[in-house]
Amino acid sequence: TQLLEQSPQFLSIQEGENLTVYCNSSSVFSSLQWYRQEPGEGPVLLVTVVTGGEVKKLKRLTFQFGDARKDSSLHITAAQPGDTGLYLCYAGGTSYGKLTFGQGTILTVHP
Amino acid sequence: NAGVTQTPKFRVLKTGQSMTLLCAQDMNHEYMYWYRQDPGMGLRLIHYSVGEGTTAKGEVPDGYNVSRLKKQNFLLGLESAAPSQTSVYFCASSYSRSNQPQHFGDGTRLSIL
Repeated sequence: TQLLEQSPQFLSIQEGENLTVYCNSSSVFSSLQWYRQEPGEGPVLLVTVVTGGEVKKLKRLTFQFGDARKDSSLHITAAQPGDTGLYLCYAGGTSYGKLTFGQGTILTVHP
Repeated sequence: NAGVTQTPKFRVLKTGQSMTLLCAQDMNHEYMYWYRQDPGMGLRLIHYSVGEGTTAKGEVPDGYNVSRLKKQNFLLGLESAAPSQTSVYFCASSYSRSNQPQHFGDGTRLSIL
């Protein structure tokens, strides 16, 4: 079973702080995606990373794909209350019979 | 531009009842998926389809059936609902399998009493 482990599961911080969310596996993936989900809505894609060592930036969010393509991280600089939500990683290119979403990280940013 | 539309948005069933959840997409996507989301479990794939007339099992298919008679529609059926199927169900679609983003509906909240 290809298991994606996200950490931490919960994160509660003050506005302006920095944070990092991790997505790890023992398997190699062809790509990895990060989604953000707000209450009452479906997940929305933030970014896709496909190359080992790749770094992508989306405003205050920085995404990195590990050199061996087994892990990824999401770093948020100067978090804002609008960043509050559930962040999910997804491994692309895997067999659909296996688990492909991480359990998610619930982020709460307090004003 | 509707994207992925799920109906109904909420439903309460009694144990043993049956129902069908409908998913419709207007993006001409080949791939469609049904997930369930439970606290602390992320999204778990129930069934998926790689094209009209095809379906396949995902990680947690037991107790569910699906059909893809038309490219734009993907139906999820519960033949005999059980309390363990209380969950939020999400439908998604994508152009292809790898690297392409999945577009999600807003979910169906289903409670089985």
